[in-house]
Amino acid sequence: DAGVIQSPRHEVTEMGQEVTLRCKPISGHDYLFWYRQTMMRGLELLIYFNNNVPIDDSGMPEDRFSAKMPNASFSTLKIQPSEPRDSAVYFCASRFTFGQPQHFGDGTRLSIL
Amino acid sequence: AQSVSQHNHHVILSEAASLELGCNYSYGGTVNLFWYVQYPGQHLQLLLKYFSGDPLVKGIKGFEAEFIKSKFSFNLRKPSVQWSDTAEYFCAVRTGGGADGLTFGKGTHLIIQP
Repeated sequence: DAGVIQSPRHEVTEMGQEVTLRCKPISGHDYLFWYRQTMMRGLELLIYFNNNVPIDDSGMPEDRFSAKMPNASFSTLKIQPSEPRDSAVYFCASRFTFGQPQHFGDGTRLSIL
Repeated sequence: AQSVSQHNHHVILSEAASLELGCNYSYGGTVNLFWYVQYPGQHLQLLLKYFSGDPLVKGIKGFEAEFIKSKFSFNLRKPSVQWSDTAEYFCAVRTGGGADGLTFGKGTHLIIQP
């Protein structure tokens, strides 16, 4: 099993630029989660999908953040325009149905200059 | 909303010492509880989980945790730590009622000195 695959692993860009983070969940998993990890706030749930449908996006910090899941094997998290305070590690996780643990990707380390 | 508290942000131990990391949550209903570990530069991995049944849960790498409902606690333990246990440890809770994402504690950075 390839695990949850995230790309890129590292992203450095200037403020104001659009940033797109990508995630490929484990095949067959029908839940997908996006988390953000910072020193100040720890790990926070941003949004999660079930069967490609966004279920809870209450953790998305601002309208600058958006997430999509066009099919069962791909999701994106987009920030536009990006700001320095968006710098963090963004994790994607997936799991198979209720009661199963989440499997995390390696994360994308995002630095906004 | 539920919250998770990990009392120790940094813990430094010598090899072979015993470990206990505290975790308390605030939610009165049914919960699923997890401990995840993040080794330097790696992704989060599940150490152990509690859903129901025996409140003493055994996980990988010799870790265990005890769910004490009356104390809203789920402390992580290991009788004898190794240098390779150096990592960040996260306690997480998932509540019932349809809320599906995990709420994490802020993590405990564990350093094991050889």
